[in-house]
Amino acid sequence: DAKTTQPTSMDCAEGRAANLPCNHSTISGNEYVYWYRQIHSQGPQYIIHGLKNNETNEMASLIITEDRKSSTLILPHATLRDTAVYYCIVMTGGYQKVTFGTGTKLQVIP
Amino acid sequence: NAGVTQTPKFRVLKTGQSMTLLCAQDMNHEYMYWYRQDPGMGLRLIHYSVGEGTTAKGEVPDGYNVSRLKKQNFLLGLESAAPSQTSVYFCASSYASGRPEQFFGPGTRLTVL
Repeated sequence: DAKTTQPTSMDCAEGRAANLPCNHSTISGNEYVYWYRQIHSQGPQYIIHGLKNNETNEMASLIITEDRKSSTLILPHATLRDTAVYYCIVMTGGYQKVTFGTGTKLQVIP
Repeated sequence: NAGVTQTPKFRVLKTGQSMTLLCAQDMNHEYMYWYRQDPGMGLRLIHYSVGEGTTAKGEVPDGYNVSRLKKQNFLLGLESAAPSQTSVYFCASSYASGRPEQFFGPGTRLTVL
């Protein structure tokens, strides 16, 4: 699986958009970009995934660059409940020896 | 739908004791996984299963055994617990095809003294 690089931590004001970047420069053509988050002490939660087109669901938007070497997860109106560690993962789907890494700790500030 | 459930939620063991963690899912998922998470670290895959009766090693399998006798259950066993196995254990499951995202349980916090 391709390796990902994320900032260790970020802050975001409540009500503003949170933009979380991820670099995956070694991604291969059949690998998807997945985002999960882990709220303190809970199990990780799936957020969104995409291959090469931008994706949006009720939780977030995913913007993938044209060369697919990086992506950005966007939480349009961050709330205090969005404070969590966000993991960017690349994999081909189905079972993979998934490496979650250490992710980005997002702190939403009142 | 209960999703993925884990039993127990908390457990304290003495070094050398054994125990089994139970994971159950009611989503008819083919794949199941066991992860451990240590403070300040990401999740590491211990063992996984791609179907009933099959298991395979993940990233950190030493000291653990698993069994999947029924499709909905995935058991993680510690035969002789060590302090290094103090961790939070998460179980997850997913479809083999279609929606591949993993669904996680609430975790089991294990302390080995």
